[in-house]
Amino acid sequence: AQTVTQSQPEMSVQEAETVTLSCTYDTSESNYYLFWYKQPPSRQMILVIRQEAYKQQNATENRFSVNFQKAAKSFSLKISDSQLGDTAMYFCALSNNAGNMLTFGGGTRLMVKP
Amino acid sequence: NAGVTQTPKFRILKIGQSMTLQCTQDMNHNYMYWYRQDPGMGLKLIYYSVGAGITDKGEVPNGYNVSRSTTEDFPLRLELAAPSQTSVYFCASSYSSRGGYEQFFGPGTRLTVL
Repeated sequence: AQTVTQSQPEMSVQEAETVTLSCTYDTSESNYYLFWYKQPPSRQMILVIRQEAYKQQNATENRFSVNFQKAAKSFSLKISDSQLGDTAMYFCALSNNAGNMLTFGGGTRLMVKP
Repeated sequence: NAGVTQTPKFRILKIGQSMTLQCTQDMNHNYMYWYRQDPGMGLKLIYYSVGAGITDKGEVPNGYNVSRSTTEDFPLRLELAAPSQTSVYFCASSYSSRGGYEQFFGPGTRLTVL
């Protein structure tokens, strides 16, 4: 079985500042994929960033970057220059290599304050 | 492209009633998924399908049934609604079942069983 844990139920950050959301996971597979999804109040699930486990280089998408520590099974999300539109629930997710099991963490509610 | 569409957006059921949640995608994706999201929690996989005529159980399949007669449609059936099935239901699709491919999500159906 694979598990995903997000230890921060809620976080807040001032607009334009940087915030880091934590995620740890467990899996017995040698290759797997990690994702961060954003869920704004509209409920729509939006992919923010993805990381393949065998790629050592940390993924980056504009203001979003990850710190992937494979040995520690840690996958944190850094949001730089936070914007009001970043206010949302953020879910860390782990996919097995076959792609038929996507496991989500419990989520972190992020509030960006003006 | 409309992407993944779900109907209805909201529904209230009485205990013991039945209903079908509809899901359609127009991206010609072979792989489709149903998730449920309980309040304050991450998503959990109910059922998935790797192509027309092929379905398989996910993490929480009890109380649900699915069918996949076409590539586009993947309806979820609740036969005897129970209060424990009060949740938000998300349908998703992806191009491939390989773990790195993004799953595209519908807007969700909020179901309340009273």
